[in-house]
Amino acid sequence: DTAVSQTPKYLVTQMGNDKSIKCEQNLGHDTMYWYKQDSKKFLKIMFSYNNKELIINETVPNRFSPKSPDKAHLNLHINSLELGDSAVYFCASSQGAGGGYTFGSGTRLTVV
Amino acid sequence: GDSVTQMEGPVTLSEEAFLTINCTYTATGYPSLFWYVQYPGEGLQLLLKATKADDKGSNKGFEATYRKETTSFHLEKGSVQVSDSAVYFCALTDRRKLIWGLGTSLAVNP
Repeated sequence: DTAVSQTPKYLVTQMGNDKSIKCEQNLGHDTMYWYKQDSKKFLKIMFSYNNKELIINETVPNRFSPKSPDKAHLNLHINSLELGDSAVYFCASSQGAGGGYTFGSGTRLTVV
Repeated sequence: GDSVTQMEGPVTLSEEAFLTINCTYTATGYPSLFWYVQYPGEGLQLLLKATKADDKGSNKGFEATYRKETTSFHLEKGSVQVSDSAVYFCALTDRRKLIWGLGTSLAVNP
């Protein structure tokens, strides 16, 4: 069983489109995250949810909207996609905010 | 604010060489420290961690010791393999989230 699974693995789309990435964890963790990793491997936290409550909302364009229907799921919706949104997006989970994270395998988003 | 600085890569080694990747940090309080590894095309995996001063984390032949006096958490391995080729990230927790280093790419040649 995959601990943190995200779909799709690859996403190629045109500028201006709206897309969603889904994430599910079966570890029973109470905290989930979205990260963006650029081509230089720099990791930037975008959002964090604890038990469905948004606790971290970094400086991210409001075109990005997370949604957590329950503590096992955290989805990311992106409106009006831009070229600069091309990156790998990682979902992660942890028990509490200070412990080790378990990452998904990533979604490579390419905006053309 | 809290921060993590790790040595720039890429680091290129021959198989069976000794590896050190330096990591230093600045933090208020006593953070937990982590090393994560990212193999090509994959997500990050927790490699090892240490939660207090003088703790040594170890896994898969890798080790790192939490040194409060030098605010360091250097990653070491005595004999690297080609399969260790990956990007290594040092991180600390500020109790809300992980603070990440920029990553160090390691390439091990046969």
